[in-house]
Amino acid sequence: GAVVSQHPSRVICKSGTSVKIECRSLDFQATTMFWYRQFPKKSLMLMATSNEGSKATYEQGVEKDKFLINHASLTLSTLTVTSAHPEDSSFYICSASPGRETFFGQGTRLTVV
Amino acid sequence: AQSVAQPEDQVNVAEGNPLTVKCTYSVSGNPYLFWYVQYPNRGLQFLLKYITGDNLVKGSYGFEAEFNKSQTSFHLKKPSALVSDSALYFCAVRPRGAGGYQKVTFGIGTKLQVIP
Repeated sequence: GAVVSQHPSRVICKSGTSVKIECRSLDFQATTMFWYRQFPKKSLMLMATSNEGSKATYEQGVEKDKFLINHASLTLSTLTVTSAHPEDSSFYICSASPGRETFFGQGTRLTVV
Repeated sequence: AQSVAQPEDQVNVAEGNPLTVKCTYSVSGNPYLFWYVQYPNRGLQFLLKYITGDNLVKGSYGFEAEFNKSQTSFHLKKPSALVSDSALYFCAVRPRGAGGYQKVTFGIGTKLQVIP
């Protein structure tokens, strides 16, 4: 079946630095990918919709200048957390849908120290 | 707007007993419905989906779910729980639409604890 690969699975960074998370569709083309954030003991909250070749669509309350999304090709979307702060520490997950099914990356655990 | 409700934060069940994790949804039209499982510090794993057809859907690891259109529910079930089933379970809904342009909405998740 279709696979979505997310990298890295874990990352620790210092406050003030930027971190890039990659999401790849391995065997299908994805014109649209989604980025979610999961808070401890909470559900997954949609952050933004990544659109290939155009600007991402952000959900209300998500800072687009802080969470930069680039969907440069049909198989790759990146999420960059800029000027990271400890409150950005979270579990980030991407998804893509080749058709009726939705596939998720394995997630990235970001810890900002 | 679409929404998913999982009314129970946690479900406890004895090993070997049947389990049910509840889910109701609100969305226009006939949506796609999903169940995912998440183990600690891991991504989501697909369990099963309802697209069309038989209301009883069978999925991975012996799980099944019943789609009830009149009650807008999609409860997850398993006849005999295993300790290894202990995890966080998410119900999700996605509107029908072309390609992958429709976003998925998740329930808040239900923690399943299977007691040995």
